Amino acid sequence: DAGVTQSPTHLIKTRGQQVTLRCSPKSGHDTVSWYQQALGQGPQFIFQYYEEEERQRGNFPDRFSGHQFPNYSSELNVNALLLGDSALYLCASSFTGAFGNTIYFGEGSWLTVV
Amino acid sequence: KNEVEQSPQNLTAQEGEFITINCSYSVGISALHWLQQHPGGGIVSLFMLSSGKKKHGRLIATINIQEKHSSLHITASHPRDSAVYICAVRSTSGSRLTFGEGTQLTVNP
Repeated sequence: DAGVTQSPTHLIKTRGQQVTLRCSPKSGHDTVSWYQQALGQGPQFIFQYYEEEERQRGNFPDRFSGHQFPNYSSELNVNALLLGDSALYLCASSFTGAFGNTIYFGEGSWLTVV
Repeated sequence: KNEVEQSPQNLTAQEGEFITINCSYSVGISALHWLQQHPGGGIVSLFMLSSGKKKHGRLIATINIQEKHSSLHITASHPRDSAVYICAVRSTSGSRLTFGEGTQLTVNP
């Protein structure tokens, strides 16, 4: 049973470009959350998707958008990239049906904006 | 002030020592997670707590809901325990996680 898989693992973009990161949740999980982790800091919540809708959102600008597909996989899109968007982007999946379910994390996508 | 505070930020120990990492939070929570992050970036969930104490191998996690405090203990520490340990809480108002800044643990042989 594959856990959470993310792609790509590493990528380099130029300021102003757009990027799409992908996440496949653990089998049986229906909720996907995205987090941004700057170097030396704890992850920050970007948003969460459930039933193909954004259910919660953190304090990130509209340049950050996402999508969840019927198979529960998800994409994170960032437009007009800034140098400060350089970070590790983590995807986490869980099953909403039961209270307090364990969360599984992917290995992350390292984004460098130059 | 962050909603989740961890201490210490950095911790260096000798192999075999008993390790304690602390986490304090200021919001009402439905669950608290202890996570381990290795240099490659991937995060592994060690424990999820809503009350009491849990043990897995050499790892022990406790939580005091009244005091809004949790601790992660590592007994007989080993160099392979070297990693960043992160405390994260799930608030009562939703399922998002709020993370502490992490504790960088280095265990020397």
